[in-house]
Amino acid sequence: DADVTQTPRNRITKTGKRIMLECSQTKGHDRMYWYRQDPGLGLRLIYYSFDVKDINKGEISDGYSVSRQAQAKFSLSLESAIPNQTALYFCATSDRGGAEPQHFGDGTRLSIL
Amino acid sequence: RKEVEQDPGPFNVPEGATVAFNCTYSNSASQSFFWYRQDCRKEPKLLMSVYSSGNEDGRFTAQLNRASQYISLLIRDSKLSDSATYLCVVNILGGSARQLTFGSGTQLTVLP
Repeated sequence: DADVTQTPRNRITKTGKRIMLECSQTKGHDRMYWYRQDPGLGLRLIYYSFDVKDINKGEISDGYSVSRQAQAKFSLSLESAIPNQTALYFCATSDRGGAEPQHFGDGTRLSIL
Repeated sequence: RKEVEQDPGPFNVPEGATVAFNCTYSNSASQSFFWYRQDCRKEPKLLMSVYSSGNEDGRFTAQLNRASQYISLLIRDSKLSDSATYLCVVNILGGSARQLTFGSGTQLTVLP
């Protein structure tokens, strides 16, 4: 089984819809992250959480919200999806030793029509 | 100017060749540096950290030049399985994920 699991793997939806991307991990890591990847732009941080009670905005948090339901679960929501949120989304985790994400999920390919 | 810049490539090299990638960063306060590998349509995977004195992991050597603000990755005796996109990652201050910046990657194809 994967250490970091993202669901769904692919999603096509319409503008204005509410979308939730889920992430769960079995690494036992405290730190979890949500990134989006666009061609030519690299990964950009949306939100991160250093523990269940700690949620922080990243570089591009506008239009997104998150929930850390438990140490192992970190979900990302798009309240009203728009086409420029079409991207590849990655969840990642790291342990307390460093800020760099060490384990990524397989990614969610999201298309907003 | 991007905070972290990489030559996007593609670099096409024959099997067994030595290939080097450079990455430049704009913030002189940057303190931590990493290389990630990303296969096509897959998730990034941490390849190695980059230390001030330079470090080696098998066929891979990473170096840091603070004065010129660049890091490099050298791959010796390249294998077909090295074909991937290599992401340069820089962390300012070293303690907060907010300051972690990914480059857009350099694509490598190793040819038989």
